[in-house]
Amino acid sequence: DAKTTQPNSMESNEEEPVHLPCNHSTISGTDYIHWYRQLPSQGPEYVIHGLTSNVNNRMASLAIAEDRKSSTLILHRATLRDAAVYYCILRGNQGGKLIFGQGTELSVKP
Amino acid sequence: EAQVTQNPRYLITVTGKKLTVTCSQNMNHEYMSWYRQDPGLGLRQIYYSMNVEVTDKGDVPEGYKVSRKEKRNFPLILESPSPNQTSLYFCASSPPPGGVYEQYFGPGTRLTVT
Repeated sequence: DAKTTQPNSMESNEEEPVHLPCNHSTISGTDYIHWYRQLPSQGPEYVIHGLTSNVNNRMASLAIAEDRKSSTLILHRATLRDAAVYYCILRGNQGGKLIFGQGTELSVKP
Repeated sequence: EAQVTQNPRYLITVTGKKLTVTCSQNMNHEYMSWYRQDPGLGLRQIYYSMNVEVTDKGDVPEGYKVSRKEKRNFPLILESPSPNQTSLYFCASSPPPGGVYEQYFGPGTRLTVT
């Protein structure tokens, strides 16, 4: 099962960009890269996903390395409400078994 | 409103007393899954279901059972709970279990087994 590696924690200042890295060196060709975040006392929520090309949505951007062995979630202007644990996971076409790992705890300072 | 619901949200029970945590989704999703979350261990998958009557083990299935008799429901059963099953549990669902689809998570069930 493909796994991901993320830093345990990161800090950011409010209104500055944040780049959250994820390594997935064992990714297969059909695995999508998904990002979720979990706010305190809540269930995880979807942020963004991609396969090969960089992706943008209203919440964030996802930059995928050309060899697909790593990716970066970009929050363009961090707010206090972005303080959460961010999980990077791989989801294949079969999509059944999923490995979340410990994620990156992002703290945002005013 | 599209959502995943779990009941109960909080439960305190004693060792060995069978319990069921219910999960229901109103989005007609084929895929459903159960996770547990423990401090320092992140989210770990317990069981998942690709569709009605199709279930499979995740990473930590020991001590749990599931069933998928209807598309909308995916109950988690603890036949004989033990203190090491004290945890925060999340149910999730998604359309067909392909990589292109996102998962929707429930609000969580905090279980304490004494």
